[in-house]
Amino acid sequence: DTEVTQTPKHLVMGMTNKKSLKCEQHMGHRAMYWYKQKAKKPPELMFVYSYEKLSINESVPSRFSPECPNSSLLNLHLHALQPEDSALYLCASSQDHWQTSTDTQYFGPGTRLTVL
Amino acid sequence: GQQVMQIPQYQHVQEGEDFTTYCNSSTTLSNIQWYKQRPGGHPVFLIQLVKSGEVKKQKRLTFQFGEAKKNSSLHITATQTTDVGTYFCAGRRSSASKIIFGSGTRLSIRP
Repeated sequence: DTEVTQTPKHLVMGMTNKKSLKCEQHMGHRAMYWYKQKAKKPPELMFVYSYEKLSINESVPSRFSPECPNSSLLNLHLHALQPEDSALYLCASSQDHWQTSTDTQYFGPGTRLTVL
Repeated sequence: GQQVMQIPQYQHVQEGEDFTTYCNSSTTLSNIQWYKQRPGGHPVFLIQLVKSGEVKKQKRLTFQFGEAKKNSSLHITATQTTDVGTYFCAGRRSSASKIIFGSGTRLSIRP
């Protein structure tokens, strides 16, 4: 199974709402990632979890709050977002983040988020 | 900071023509990966190159890593409509640094 799943596929939320994005993988990968991708742009790294601990936070605003309940699950909690946060949010996993021989990333289909 | 640039930004070719995208880093990379993202889809891993001067082939796709490990290229021979999408390179300076995605090259094809 080389699949990363993400829910929901689409999300529309107001600026005062609280919502969560979910990501799951069953490949036994120990690194999981959140990326933000705007139209016609490359994925932009937000967070890296390695062995269920937050390893990298790319100076992401606190209105985005990641959580890794276990090695298979990754959540992104959203609160008080701005319209400019509208984007495709991609989750990815890799066998291990800290070895370049095992950092091939498998991406989920993404959640397309619209903030009104 | 580390930057990874890709050229061209867009390429529109006739089906059957060849296509090449180039990836250039401001710093030496420990590895480079290539991903393809179809319109409306998500990035899908194609290949990883690790060694200086490495060349790898996948059917009509040829990937190359420069001798100085600062640049890479992806060449597609005789493009087909299924090749449509955006091709991203991604690399990192070392195992202690994060992966940086290139700006991407969007390929469109005239049938």
